[in-house]
Amino acid sequence: ETGVTQTPRHLVMGMTNKKSLKCEQHLGHNAMYWYKQSAKKPLELMFVYNFKEQTENNSVPSRFSPECPNSSHLFLHLHTLQPEDSALYLCASSQEGRTGGSGYTFGSGTRLTVV
Amino acid sequence: AQKVTQAQTEISVVEKEDVTLDCVYETRDTTYYLFWYKQPPSGELVFLIRRNSFDEQNEISGRYSWNFQKSTSSFNFTITASQVVDSAVYFCALSEAGYFNKFYFGSGTKLNVKP
Repeated sequence: ETGVTQTPRHLVMGMTNKKSLKCEQHLGHNAMYWYKQSAKKPLELMFVYNFKEQTENNSVPSRFSPECPNSSHLFLHLHTLQPEDSALYLCASSQEGRTGGSGYTFGSGTRLTVV
Repeated sequence: AQKVTQAQTEISVVEKEDVTLDCVYETRDTTYYLFWYKQPPSGELVFLIRRNSFDEQNEISGRYSWNFQKSTSSFNFTITASQVVDSAVYFCALSEAGYFNKFYFGSGTKLNVKP
């Protein structure tokens, strides 16, 4: 399998649940990202991992907790979410430091609904 | 200040019409990269083109063409003879100095192509 794979594609969770989103890339990239896409809002960068180290956290609430066990896998752990957290969560990867290529490669996203 | 502006929120055309999506960017870097991505209803952002700041040549790929003008800080995207399958949200993005963790997306333009 190639590219960036995200699971699950759809997730409905209650505000007291704990769930995790998974992202896997098979491109040999060394950087991975979580983006949030809400209705009628620009894409929001949430977290950046370079070589498994978190290099950016854009003031994301602590109810979102990322984990990057290796350069191919990225998780987003969710707990006690709010209805306004309902959105499309996109994972992306890139080869950091290389100026060629296509920038980000995105996954298909996880459509999250918090009820 | 917004680094990438896509002033057109939504455009509707009839199949076979030509359509231009506007993108205006802002940066102080002399080296930067511009991108266009397509997001069909399935959710995944699909890479369309990457252009670096030193290459102002316009590019044509089939029915797609891009007009990069540094003088006006614009990177517009034209679809000729539009088709229903072109219906999607199109995002313009800017990466400064080749650092892909500093990606700035526009708010997107939703294109509706009607049969």
